[in-house]
Amino acid sequence: DAGVIQSPRHEVTEMGQEVTLRCKPISGHDYLFWYRQTMMRGLELLIYFNNNVPIDDSGMPEDRFSAKMPNASFSTLKIQPSEPRDSAVYFCASSWNREGKDTQYFGPGTRLTVL
Amino acid sequence: GQNIDQPTEMTATEGAIVQINCTYQTSGFNGLFWYQQHAGEAPTFLSYNVLDGLEEKGRFSSFLSRSKGYSYLLLKELQMKDSASYLCAVRWYNNNDMRFGAGTRLTVKP
Repeated sequence: DAGVIQSPRHEVTEMGQEVTLRCKPISGHDYLFWYRQTMMRGLELLIYFNNNVPIDDSGMPEDRFSAKMPNASFSTLKIQPSEPRDSAVYFCASSWNREGKDTQYFGPGTRLTVL
Repeated sequence: GQNIDQPTEMTATEGAIVQINCTYQTSGFNGLFWYQQHAGEAPTFLSYNVLDGLEEKGRFSSFLSRSKGYSYLLLKELQMKDSASYLCAVRWYNNNDMRFGAGTRLTVKP
């Protein structure tokens, strides 16, 4: 199993540009999560999907952030326009709720730098 | 509230035992996870507790007391490679929402 796949691994962009982060969950997992991690705020849940449907997006910072999951094997997180304060590591994770134990498996993350 | 508290940093000696505590203030509790995160890497799953008691897995053990809102991660026979951040995460009942603590950065010294 390849695990959760994220791309790109590193992204450097200028303020105002659109940024799209991509995630492929582990095959068979029905939950997908997007997190953001910074030194100041730690690991924050942005949004999660169940069977491709967004369940809770209360962690999305503002309207500049949007996430989609068009099918079970692909999700995107988009920031438009990007700002320097969006600089962080963005993790995607997936899980399968089996017998109540739904361990989340994290992708390697995308390190985003907005100049 | 949904505060999850754990110490910011800890230091221990190679070969020793260290206990990392986590307290949480929440209702609807339905599981607590411990994750390990090495610098520059993704969090990886260590343990899961939903009932009171101790779960042992090799050199790592995790304890939970639901009535006290308290958990700890116990690391035995510390190795240099155990230097990492340890994240406590709490899940709420009937959903897959999970919140992470700020993490405890453990440094193992020779």
